[in-house]
Amino acid sequence: QVQLQQEGTGLLKPSETLSLTCGVNGVSLSGNYWTWIRQPPGKGLEWIGEINPSGSTNYNPSLKSRVTISVDTSKNQFSLRLSSVTAADTAVYFCARLVRSDCANGVCYQNIYFYYMDVWGKGTTVTVSS
Amino acid sequence: EIVLTQSPGTLSLSPGERAPLSCRASPSVSTRYLAWYQQKPGQAPRLLIYGASNRATGIPDRFSGSGSGADFTLTISRLEPEDFAVYYCQLYTTSGITFGQGTRLEIK
Repeated sequence: QVQLQQEGTGLLKPSETLSLTCGVNGVSLSGNYWTWIRQPPGKGLEWIGEINPSGSTNYNPSLKSRVTISVDTSKNQFSLRLSSVTAADTAVYFCARLVRSDCANGVCYQNIYFYYMDVWGKGTTVTVSS
Repeated sequence: EIVLTQSPGTLSLSPGERAPLSCRASPSVSTRYLAWYQQKPGQAPRLLIYGASNRATGIPDRFSGSGSGADFTLTISRLEPEDFAVYYCQLYTTSGITFGQGTRLEIK
């Protein structure tokens, strides 16, 4: 069973750098896509970015200049860094596995892929305040 | 940029009733990239449906997804007390992931 264990700092001052890690249990880091999502208090879900098995990243354009997602295969974990935080970055941050599969309900297809997030971490509350 | 619009914003129903939740995409999208999630207070989202109509592992069959192109629907056939939560549709593209703003399903 795949489980994600989130670690990281919960209280930051403006201009500091947010740093979170997501430990992966039950599956190898390589061969999977991994993603970070956040949720400001009382609001909806916002995608931050993803990293694929080859290590390539894709970021939300609104955050791209401040975000870095990386993997550490020796520790079987992936990480999020968000620089120059402000109060607007206050949110619950979730890590998740992004599945890329050519099968659905036991039926497999050629050159057709489904994408969805099937396993999530419990979330880390990050507050930015002076 | 693809925008997902969910309606209604809030849906008030009683246990046992049927709940249709809408997600409209602009422009139209491929069904295989559309997923639905349930989120309860203080919890992470839970995958319900992927590929617009495929139930995820362990999801009860009262949850079903349908639609194509621009209009998608998550239907809960007979509401159970544990189904009252917020529901999000989500789309994957090579440019990134987009979520709808959510529909809150509350007890009437």
